[in-house]
Amino acid sequence: GAVVSQHPSWVICKSGTSVKIECRSLDFQATTMFWYRQFPKQSLMLMATSNEGSKATYEQGVEKDKFLINHASLTLSTLTVTSAHPEDSSFYICSAIEGAGDGYTFGSGTRLTVV
Amino acid sequence: DAKTTQPTSMDCAEGRAANLPCNHSTISGNEYVYWYRQIHSQGPQYIIHGLKNNETNEMASLIITEDRKSSTLILPHATLRDTAVYYCIVKYYGGSQGNLIFGKGTKLSVKP
Repeated sequence: GAVVSQHPSWVICKSGTSVKIECRSLDFQATTMFWYRQFPKQSLMLMATSNEGSKATYEQGVEKDKFLINHASLTLSTLTVTSAHPEDSSFYICSAIEGAGDGYTFGSGTRLTVV
Repeated sequence: DAKTTQPTSMDCAEGRAANLPCNHSTISGNEYVYWYRQIHSQGPQYIIHGLKNNETNEMASLIITEDRKSSTLILPHATLRDTAVYYCIVKYYGGSQGNLIFGKGTKLSVKP
């Protein structure tokens, strides 16, 4: 079945630095990828929708200059948390779908801790 | 997309069937019912989806009422590894119809 690889699985960074999270579709071409954020004991909240070759669409309240998304190829999307602060500490999860299909495959998530 | 209502938590004895209900009374005619689960600190995992007929796969069965206003996910023989948060999601078919919107889900605890 479809596999989405997310890297790193966890990261600790200092406040003010930037962190990049990669999301790769290993065995299919993902025309659309989604980025979610999940705080402890809460549900997944969509941050942005990423389409290959075009600018990402951000959900209301998500700062596009802080959470930079790049979907430069059909198998890779990246999320960069710029100038990270402790309140950005969260579980970040990507999801990808192939073409017009309906199979949403999720990555294993990245635990970000900003100290 | 239509909203869903699920119990906050449920317990199930290991080896017994786990029946997880979901209400989606405002579902539209062409909207599907999807079930995903999330084991602690992992990404969500697809379980099953259906439109109006009952569906079964190697993981679970999905029973949708005739009026489509509610459904039940059945794990026939729950194991400890089935302990997770289960999400019932209603949306139109296809990636072009947008993302999955997650509610609070049901936290299923399978106990020995």
